[in-house]
Amino acid sequence: SQQGEEDPQALSIQEGENATMNCSYKTSINNLQWYRQNSGRGLVHLILIRSNEREKHSGRLRVTLDTSKKSSSLLITASRAADTASYFCATFDQGAQKLVFGQGTRLTINP
Amino acid sequence: DTAVSQTPKYLVTQMGNDKSIKCEQNLGHDTMYWYKQDSKKFLKIMFSYNNKELIINETVPNRFSPKSPDKAHLNLHINSLELGDSAVYFCASRFSDRYTDTQYFGPGTRLTVL
Repeated sequence: SQQGEEDPQALSIQEGENATMNCSYKTSINNLQWYRQNSGRGLVHLILIRSNEREKHSGRLRVTLDTSKKSSSLLITASRAADTASYFCATFDQGAQKLVFGQGTRLTINP
Repeated sequence: DTAVSQTPKYLVTQMGNDKSIKCEQNLGHDTMYWYKQDSKKFLKIMFSYNNKELIINETVPNRFSPKSPDKAHLNLHINSLELGDSAVYFCASRFSDRYTDTQYFGPGTRLTVL
């Protein structure tokens, strides 16, 4: 299966702390994307990093990509209660023209 | 001004019934998808359409039949529903250019087969 793995499966931290989620994947990629899913809602695109990029920032989000290790990390700084959600990484399979999602990390921010 | 909408949001039905889920996007995107999310939150692609043409069919049972009357709509019809079809089904559309590649998801349809 191409499906990647995310680590940890669940993470609970205090508001204001930083949250780091990791993602590993199996095949060559064109890009890697991170999505957020609030409970009972659809996924929302957060950030994309291309295979020739190593790091990208967007607001409180920082994404890294290591293609030699086939891994990526998402760092959320200064977490807020509203960041409570599930976070998914997804790799785009250019040949099959489809996104392959990881299993997700369930993040809980405690006030 | 909803970007990707799905109806219904909840669907409860008996085994053996036939049901449809509708999806519409007003973003002008050419590519649309159906995904299935199971109880463990695994999200897996089922179908992809580009400008009304089927591009991807991920070995989904032929009880599932997508239909795209125009590029803004991608409906999913399911025949002879089974217990294992219970899941949340998401529709999505895709925009990509040299700067970005983003999928826009609908709110999901929670299907419960009794």
